[in-house]
Amino acid sequence: EAEVAQSPRYKITEKSQAVAFWCDPISGHATLYWYRQILGQGPELLVQFQDESVVDDSQLPKDRFSAERLKGVDSTLKIQPAELGDSAMYLCASSLGQGSLASGTGEQFFGPGTRLTVL
Amino acid sequence: AQSVTQPDIHITVSEGASLELRCNYSYGATPYLFWYVQSPGQGLQLLLKYFSGDTLVQGIKGFEAEFKRSQSSFNLRKPSVHWSDAAEYFCAVAGSGNTGKLIFGQGTTLQVKP
Repeated sequence: EAEVAQSPRYKITEKSQAVAFWCDPISGHATLYWYRQILGQGPELLVQFQDESVVDDSQLPKDRFSAERLKGVDSTLKIQPAELGDSAMYLCASSLGQGSLASGTGEQFFGPGTRLTVL
Repeated sequence: AQSVTQPDIHITVSEGASLELRCNYSYGATPYLFWYVQSPGQGLQLLLKYFSGDTLVQGIKGFEAEFKRSQSSFNLRKPSVHWSDAAEYFCAVAGSGNTGKLIFGQGTTLQVKP
């Protein structure tokens, strides 16, 4: 069964350091999402890609966060510099296409996440 | 703006007992609603979804949910809980604009007593 892959699964870093997370969506999925889940809260969308283009990054703290999906396949989310408040689970999800939730093509499949701890 | 509220942060039920997890949403039009489950250290798995039609929807693992427009609710139910159901449960609504963006509630942690 196809799955969304993420690495690393766990990352511990010190504040002011740079950190990067990688996501490989299900093959053929054009839409990719990065969510941040703070402990005790639900996931919150950081950035959404349609192929290699950003569709929504309104909640991405652009002073320190960046995301790319250069070839429209896998994606990298970077934080530089990391702050204590960035400690969270970072989830990647993919779907066949954006929208069309009723037809199923918009259904999102989630990866296992990367647990980030900033000391 | 759309929002989702899960009033119960933590629920404990005995194995074999029935379960109901509450979800209230705020959305101007007909919402697309979802329930996800997250086991410790894992990603989210879709349990069920509602788009239109029959207001009682069946999902995986024996779960069902009922959409009640008059109450702006989409409560999740299971007639008999198993120990393996212990996890965190999230209700979500699709954002406007049909971009696929999901807006999640804060989650309900389910503990199952033997």
